[in-house]
Amino acid sequence: QVQLQESGPGLVKPSETLSLTCTVSGASIRSYYWSWIRQPPGKGLEWIGYIYYSGSASYNPSLKSRVTISVDTSKNQPSLKLTSVTAADTAVYYCVRYSPQYSSSFDVWGQGTTVTVSS
Amino acid sequence: QSVLTQPPSVSGAPGQGVTFSCTGTSSNIGAGYDVHWYQQLPGTAPKLLIYGNNNRPSGVPDRFSGSKSDTSASLAITGLQAEDEADYYCQSYDSSLSGSVFGGGTKLTVL
Repeated sequence: QVQLQESGPGLVKPSETLSLTCTVSGASIRSYYWSWIRQPPGKGLEWIGYIYYSGSASYNPSLKSRVTISVDTSKNQPSLKLTSVTAADTAVYYCVRYSPQYSSSFDVWGQGTTVTVSS
Repeated sequence: QSVLTQPPSVSGAPGQGVTFSCTGTSSNIGAGYDVHWYQQLPGTAPKLLIYGNNNRPSGVPDRFSGSKSDTSASLAITGLQAEDEADYYCQSYDSSLSGSVFGGGTKLTVL
């Protein structure tokens, strides 16, 4: 059974960099895309971007200038970095598997981690 | 403003059926990209409910079904149960944005 677990600081100061890691268990990181999706309090879902294990990545144009998604295949860990954060980046951040086998849907979700941007 | 448009709320009585709509454009649903649906129970992560327009992952009851036509898609639930009360999101791919897009979500209230 595939499980995803996000980890990282729950509080980030404005203008600093948000860094999150996802630990994948029960499956190899290879053969899938790994995505980050966020959900601001009381709002809907926003796709941030995804990466293939080879390193090929795609980002939401609205965040592209501030986002880097990377993958450490030796640790089975995708990671997210979001620079120059503001209060608008406060959200629950989900690590999600993007699966070609399921018509390119998001088929496995982590439980999410809450990140608050505040001084 | 979400790229895919969903009504903010839908309600129905136990045992009844409800339908959720998801309206897109010629660069996403209308371009032939698949639509997927997710269920988010209160306080939990979203869960894949329907993939590829009308396919259910293992474990999803056949009370849930999906369809797609032109620039829109629909999710139907029959035999409503109290535990169906949740937020439902549609998702597709958008060629002009070169990425995944979501609807704003529809909150289902079981009366």
